[in-house]
Amino acid sequence: NAGVTQTPKFQVLKTGQSMTLQCAQDMNHNSMYWYRQDPGMGLRLIYYSASEGTTDKGEVPNGYNVSRLNKREFSLRLESAAPSQTSVYFCASSEWGTASTNEKLFFGSGTQLSVL
Amino acid sequence: GQSLEQPSEVTAVEGAIVQINCTYQTSGFYGLSWYQQHDGGAPTFLSYNALDGLEETGRFSSFLSRSDSYGYLLLQELQMKDSASYFCAVNYGQNFVFGPGTRLSVLP
Repeated sequence: NAGVTQTPKFQVLKTGQSMTLQCAQDMNHNSMYWYRQDPGMGLRLIYYSASEGTTDKGEVPNGYNVSRLNKREFSLRLESAAPSQTSVYFCASSEWGTASTNEKLFFGSGTQLSVL
Repeated sequence: GQSLEQPSEVTAVEGAIVQINCTYQTSGFYGLSWYQQHDGGAPTFLSYNALDGLEETGRFSSFLSRSDSYGYLLLQELQMKDSASYFCAVNYGQNFVFGPGTRLSVLP
């Protein structure tokens, strides 16, 4: 059972380049999330998806787009990368939306992104 | 607002007990949870308080008081491997909002 898998682990971009971060979960979770983590600021929500076919903005959505491709996969796209998007990105999933009362986030191992 | 506040750093010795506080200026959330993150790793779930009171999971306990707008994580019998960052979070449905984190250093 792999849990939440995200790729790549590391990426360096030049300002203006685009890229897509991939995330997949094998726990049959309804909800999926993208967070960014910057020093001293905790984790900030970029976008989340409560179910297949729906996406919602979080606290810091500007400069990002997402796609919930199916129940398993949730991708994050940077159309024109900026130095301010240098961060560690985490994908997560949860059972929220099912009959479970387990309010727990499962995180992927993270992507360290540097924009020069 | 939805801000949560935590001490930035806490230091304790091996075998001791440490409490990490989380205060908030928000309401209407479903519950308060705690996550542990080792350097270079991903956050991992520790506990969740949907109701006021104490939840115990092994050496870790978590407490929530909605009337006092605060919660805490209590770590007992500290071990070196507990050195990590600890984050509190509140959730509004499936929207989880995290605090800035507390870095715990456990000394021998």
